[in-house]
Amino acid sequence: QKEVEQDPGPLSVPEGAIVSLNCTYSNSAFQYFMWYRQYSRKGPELLMYTYSSGNKEDGRFTAQVDKSSKYISLFIRDSQPSDSATYLCAMNTGNQFYFGTGTSLTVIP
Amino acid sequence: DSGVTQTPKHLITATGQRVTLRCSPRSGDLSVYWYQQSLDQGLQFLIQYYNGEERAKGNILERFSAQQFPDLHSELNLSSLELGDSALYFCASSVDSRSYNEQFFGPGTRLTVL
Repeated sequence: QKEVEQDPGPLSVPEGAIVSLNCTYSNSAFQYFMWYRQYSRKGPELLMYTYSSGNKEDGRFTAQVDKSSKYISLFIRDSQPSDSATYLCAMNTGNQFYFGTGTSLTVIP
Repeated sequence: DSGVTQTPKHLITATGQRVTLRCSPRSGDLSVYWYQQSLDQGLQFLIQYYNGEERAKGNILERFSAQQFPDLHSELNLSSLELGDSALYFCASSVDSRSYNEQFFGPGTRLTVL
């Protein structure tokens, strides 16, 4: 079983929709939970990170962590065509880092 | 632009060869991380350096090695290359050894082994 599982999609939504991206994990020792956005042929770009269970909001993005269920989510409100990218979840335990395989998102104008 | 630079952008080589990938971290960042991204495995953490010292190892093969120099740039050496080593190699940097939640990635080096 992989440390981090992420549905690869692809996910296709109309502009303005609310997008929900999810990851599950197996290691209860994970500390930080990160979301990265990766455009084609580019390096991953950090969107936001959380440390504890609960919600964290940054503009149109909300990250949610449920440690009891070992489940994290990223919500994108009012999605834009510029949000079309692959979204990677990531988490760490100490200096070991684990990434999901990414969910490909396309926002259709 | 994250401020992390990587050279070369593309590298094509043959099996059995050795290559060196180079990374310059963001100004002020002391920690450097190396990752391998392939289609089937996703992004895999290889190794972390902090201020010249190895700090953590991930799924790095024995054929691979890295170092961080006094000017803080880092090099990843890949030897006895195999077809399966074809992948994107990313370098990331952070301010210190514990700010792993705030890593900034470079544009990557695409390695093709023929």
